[in-house]
Amino acid sequence: QKEVEQNSGPLSVPEGAIASLNCTYSDRGSQSFFWYRQYSGKSPELIMSIYSNGDKEDGRFTAQLNKASQYVSLLIRDSQPSDSATYLCAVKGGSTLGRLYFGRGTQLTVWP
Amino acid sequence: EAGVVQSPRYKIIEKKQPVAFWCNPISGHNTLYWYRQNLGQGPELLIRYENEEAVDDSQLPKDRFSAERLKGVDSTLKIQPAELGDSAVYLCASSPYEGAETQYFGPGTRLLVL
Repeated sequence: QKEVEQNSGPLSVPEGAIASLNCTYSDRGSQSFFWYRQYSGKSPELIMSIYSNGDKEDGRFTAQLNKASQYVSLLIRDSQPSDSATYLCAVKGGSTLGRLYFGRGTQLTVWP
Repeated sequence: EAGVVQSPRYKIIEKKQPVAFWCNPISGHNTLYWYRQNLGQGPELLIRYENEEAVDDSQLPKDRFSAERLKGVDSTLKIQPAELGDSAVYLCASSPYEGAETQYFGPGTRLLVL
């Protein structure tokens, strides 16, 4: 059984700050890693994917992966109130190919 | 391009009643997923279809849940009878093919069992 753990938060940061979201996973064979954003009452939306160790940047978002530590993170630079949402870490591959495992999410609030 | 369509959006039923959810995936998407999301939790996969074949249903509580995907397009998820613990959001997602990394989620059906 895969486990995906996230710091439950809630995380609160001021506008313009860097928000740091963390995730660990239990299956060392996991191959694909994702961050989904979910606004309250809405469905998850993919914002970042990462497959190899290191950093991947997309606009204000940076995903970081360290497979040796089984750790993946998401940094949001210049946070905006519109970034306020729950961020779900998801992991795929390894012992159960094709199935996506989600963490419980970290609720982020960006205050003006 | 239209997204994943689900209906109904909300459903309130009494325990022991049956309920059904419908999903229409993005046109051309062969892979369809049903997830359940409990309050404060991430989505959990119930079943995955490749075309009309259920290829991963190990998480589906088969004593009360059933699903079908006739003709490999629309899908229906049924619960009979519903229990209080079934209250959750039921999400349908689709992707173009098996192994595609991006899953596109529908708006979900919010079920409340009284």
